[in-house]
Amino acid sequence: GAGVSQSPRYKVAKRGQDVALRCDPISGHVSLFWYQQALGQGPEFLTYFQNEAQLDKSGLPSDRFFAERPEGSVSTLKIQRTQQEDSAVYLCASSRGRIPGANVLTFGAGSRLTVL
Amino acid sequence: AQSVTQPDIHITVSEGASLELRCNYSYGATPYLFWYVQSPGQGLQLLLKYFSGDTLVQGIKGFEAEFKRSQSSFNLRKPSVHWSDAAEYFCAVGASGNKLVFGAGTILRVKS
Repeated sequence: GAGVSQSPRYKVAKRGQDVALRCDPISGHVSLFWYQQALGQGPEFLTYFQNEAQLDKSGLPSDRFFAERPEGSVSTLKIQRTQQEDSAVYLCASSRGRIPGANVLTFGAGSRLTVL
Repeated sequence: AQSVTQPDIHITVSEGASLELRCNYSYGATPYLFWYVQSPGQGLQLLLKYFSGDTLVQGIKGFEAEFKRSQSSFNLRKPSVHWSDAAEYFCAVGASGNKLVFGAGTILRVKS
């Protein structure tokens, strides 16, 4: 598609519920990233895929967070047993590049998760 | 570890005035540097980037930034601000492992 598409745009979950956030990257983009942006903060790296391979998951805050990209295009970020501290905007970005550190990322509008 | 500092949380400028947003980074090697802008409810849009070469880079919407290695800085500038520039601005450094490390952002308010 023309841009990075994320759904749902808004999600309200009760504490303890599982949620799944979807990202449709730009067609042909090899690299896909998930970032978490808490209120008033800059985005923080969660995880990175190159095609279907998850090459870096060092930013995932706990084992309740899981991401996949099984066919190298659409990605899903799953959060199990949500906690209030998981409330944030989850941003997905994709890029064509493979050069370490030099990726020009195109971001989606984000999925805002509120955990009550 | 790589880090980015944006010292100003909020900046207010008058429409038509010049603008400079500060960014300092910490990175051991030659950095890849970026400025992104985020409007409310929107994703981040790339304004400009520095990879190598000329240390003064031009971006979209009339923005420019200058890479100063000696000061570990990559400040964003615009000679004349428009009301539509009101947004939050993020500086980022390309770090190892293909990730970007972002600063906490600077919120720009434009008064008429």
